[in-house]
Amino acid sequence: DTGVSQNPRHKITKRGQNVTFRCDPISEHNRLYWYRQTLGQGPEFLTYFQNEAQLEKSRLLSDRFSAERPKGSFSTLEIQRTEQGDSAMYLCASSTPENRGTEAFFGQGTRLTVV
Amino acid sequence: GQSLEQPSEVTAVEGAIVQINCTYQTSGFYGLSWYQQHDGGAPTFLSYNALDGLEETGRFSSFLSRSDSYGYLLLQELQMKDSASYFCAVGDRDDKIIFGKGTRLHILP
Repeated sequence: DTGVSQNPRHKITKRGQNVTFRCDPISEHNRLYWYRQTLGQGPEFLTYFQNEAQLEKSRLLSDRFSAERPKGSFSTLEIQRTEQGDSAMYLCASSTPENRGTEAFFGQGTRLTVV
Repeated sequence: GQSLEQPSEVTAVEGAIVQINCTYQTSGFYGLSWYQQHDGGAPTFLSYNALDGLEETGRFSSFLSRSDSYGYLLLQELQMKDSASYFCAVGDRDDKIIFGKGTRLHILP
């Protein structure tokens, strides 16, 4: 168990560019969550997966955001045509059915800065 | 939808006891969790309540009242290392986890 891994740890991009982040969950965890966190706020739910199935996407999330988990293992989060308001920490978490979604293990996050 | 309310900041003295409250509104409630996050770090799980009552884990305890849609985190024998942000989170029957905005705990020596 090496924990949840996120790459890259930091990303600086110009406004209008596309970015993609990767999350590798703990190997036996079938639930995978994406959150966005800005300074002084709690993690904001973006989307989550059970295996390869995307269960829900936040209604607050723009169509510029898309997430995949093609083989039920790692996941990617893509942001198209980035805007300065997208600057935030993007957190990934995973959990097991036994935890019933109550204990999620977080990665260290990807900090996105849009300039 | 879901919403959670918790105080934005709490200050306490080293060695004392502090309680952080959380009220929630959600459909399909399954359980209430608490997470700790130090500056620059990732949230880490502290405790979980699915049923009414008090759960104790070392210096930390968590309480839930489902009828009142209310819970709290109790931290005893506060240490300087407990200075962090604390988040309550609700899980629903579909295992979606929604977080509150967090309570910043300041500890004075």
